[in-house]
Amino acid sequence: DIQMTQSPSSLSPFVGDRVTITCRASQSINTYLNWYQQKPGKAPQLLIYGASSIQSGVPSRFSGSGSGTDFTLTISSLQPEDLATYYCQQTYSSPRTFGQGTKVEI
Amino acid sequence: EVQLVQSGAEVKKPGESLKISCKGSGYSFSTYWIVWVRQMPGKGLEWMGIIYPADSDTRYAPSFQGQVTISADKSINTAYLQWSSLKASDTAIYYCAREVAAAAQDWGQGTLVTVSS
Repeated sequence: DIQMTQSPSSLSPFVGDRVTITCRASQSINTYLNWYQQKPGKAPQLLIYGASSIQSGVPSRFSGSGSGTDFTLTISSLQPEDLATYYCQQTYSSPRTFGQGTKVEI
Repeated sequence: EVQLVQSGAEVKKPGESLKISCKGSGYSFSTYWIVWVRQMPGKGLEWMGIIYPADSDTRYAPSFQGQVTISADKSINTAYLQWSSLKASDTAIYYCAREVAAAAQDWGQGTLVTVSS
């Protein structure tokens, strides 16, 4: 199985801060990397697919980058509604494993 | 509008069987993979397995192989996740989602399964 490791596990930024979350794969996954946002008590929502393509309806302050084994999710200016846990997921091979999550607490 | 509607919360005893469902609407159900994801209390997302309803091609994560069965009935646009003998450790929220371009784009609301004696 491909292991996905996110860092940090949690962070407490201020509103307006630039936030960066990283995800590292245990082997190359090309750009088969997705990012999800899960707000408390809600189902996850797709933010970014294919490492850098933003899902329709997602605010432009969210962006993704990377290829191979190292990936980044960036929130350019953190908003209060961005309080959530963020997960990366590889879909290069089955099982399509998730990272352990990064909790953003404001 | 694409929707995935999951069956309601369940409370079961250890050893009991259970089948939960996920009904798709607003798209061609047969031609998109449906994935099942587990979230144990206070924990992260775990990919359980995936099914292609058109031909019922199914893949399981190793940790779930033999523990659950994923199936689909394309005639009624519904996917299923079932257990033959529940354990307390199966207590979790289970989500289904539709895969588009190798990403879980549309999610059900989740089904809470509680297993307790």
